[in-house]
Amino acid sequence: GDSVTQMEGPVTLSEEAFLTINCTYTATGYPSLFWYVQYPGEGLQLLLKATKADDKGSNKGFEATYRKETTSFHLEKGSVQVSDSAVYFCALKGTGGTSYGKLTFGQGTILTVHP
Amino acid sequence: EPEVTQTPSHQVTQMGQEVILRCVPISNHLYFYWYRQILGQKVEFLVSFYNNEISEKSEIFDDQFSVERPDGSNFTLKIRSTKLEDSAMYFCASSDDINTEAFFGQGTRLTVV
Repeated sequence: GDSVTQMEGPVTLSEEAFLTINCTYTATGYPSLFWYVQYPGEGLQLLLKATKADDKGSNKGFEATYRKETTSFHLEKGSVQVSDSAVYFCALKGTGGTSYGKLTFGQGTILTVHP
Repeated sequence: EPEVTQTPSHQVTQMGQEVILRCVPISNHLYFYWYRQILGQKVEFLVSFYNNEISEKSEIFDDQFSVERPDGSNFTLKIRSTKLEDSAMYFCASSDDINTEAFFGQGTRLTVV
């Protein structure tokens, strides 16, 4: 079945540092890939997405590129802020076949940014 | 901006009791989902619902669980006889198409005591 693996956390950075959170996936066909963010005490919010190979999703300074050859969708940000402190989830949605839009999530990565 | 609304935000129930978690999906969406997140663990798929029937469910979604769309706006998750291990954050989500992003509600934290 489909699966998503994220880098182990938690990740602690100083403000303005560079962020990478690794995400790799296993899926049949051509899944869509997503990053969701969960701020403390809140629900899941879509951060960015990519629906086909080589697509780059971007939002709020975050970027991720759909790499089919390495089955990866790593999240990056050039300069993090304290307000980026949250839990980040990589997820995929399979397409076609018996998939009915189900999202498969990675285990989440806790990011803490210090001033 | 349209959003998915869940009520209540927090529910405490005694083991063995029935609970109903309520969701109002985004109005023009056709696909509805329930997920749960046990504290400190990953978000897990429970069930998807389309055209007034379950389209997919996970192993977690056993006979104790049921979903319903009782009217044109609400989407509910019922747990018939709660167990301690049902304690989790339950998220409702909806999407307008099977391949597009899902929008999530704020979640209902269920605590079974």
